Amino acid sequence: SQQGEEDPQALSIQEGENATMNCSYKTSINNLQWYRQNSGRGLVHLILIRSNEREKHSGRLRVTLDTSKKSSSLLITASRAADTASYFCATPTGRRALTFGSGTRLQVQP
Amino acid sequence: EAQVTQNPRYLITVTGKKLTVTCSQNMNHEYMSWYRQDPGLGLRQIYYSMNVEVTDKGDVPEGYKVSRKEKRNFPLILESPSPNQTSLYFCASSPRTSGDYEQYFGPGTRLTVT
Repeated sequence: SQQGEEDPQALSIQEGENATMNCSYKTSINNLQWYRQNSGRGLVHLILIRSNEREKHSGRLRVTLDTSKKSSSLLITASRAADTASYFCATPTGRRALTFGSGTRLQVQP
Repeated sequence: EAQVTQNPRYLITVTGKKLTVTCSQNMNHEYMSWYRQDPGLGLRQIYYSMNVEVTDKGDVPEGYKVSRKEKRNFPLILESPSPNQTSLYFCASSPRTSGDYEQYFGPGTRLTVT
């Protein structure tokens, strides 16, 4: 079963706009990670936010974590066509290390 | 360059013909894992390994085998492939078993079983 679930499943925006995607999870965690996947390629780690952090930035990425609501959001500011990809949240699940959500497909129109 | 490599990248085979997909990492990582990715189902873990000679089942282990004889290698074996194993497969590694660490993914192997 999925620990993290992303919302929306798909998102289409214009270049320069901001993109926000959300992740909800079920059990208590000590961190949450976001990954990006370009079409048919391996996932690439974007950012890790720990349970004692509420917000974290990395370049044009801003991640928030609300442990009381068991949710996280990923904001990509000033999006570019190159940001077109699928984005996954992942949460630790003991021995298995990480469980991934089903992803948000982001399309950035030039 | 730190990386996870997989071979082959593309494979078309027939039902029942045994195959092996290799995975190797050069980062001295303890943890390695295999996932399959299918449309609408996201990434599902097949098997994982916490260290040499230590492997365990993930969410969808049926029809697969793995071994971890060396730290750097973690091959995925399909003894008798079936069409429902047609999928995109990813190998990943991480410094430790703990979910506190990011995972490094290979480029993927697209397998078609006819």
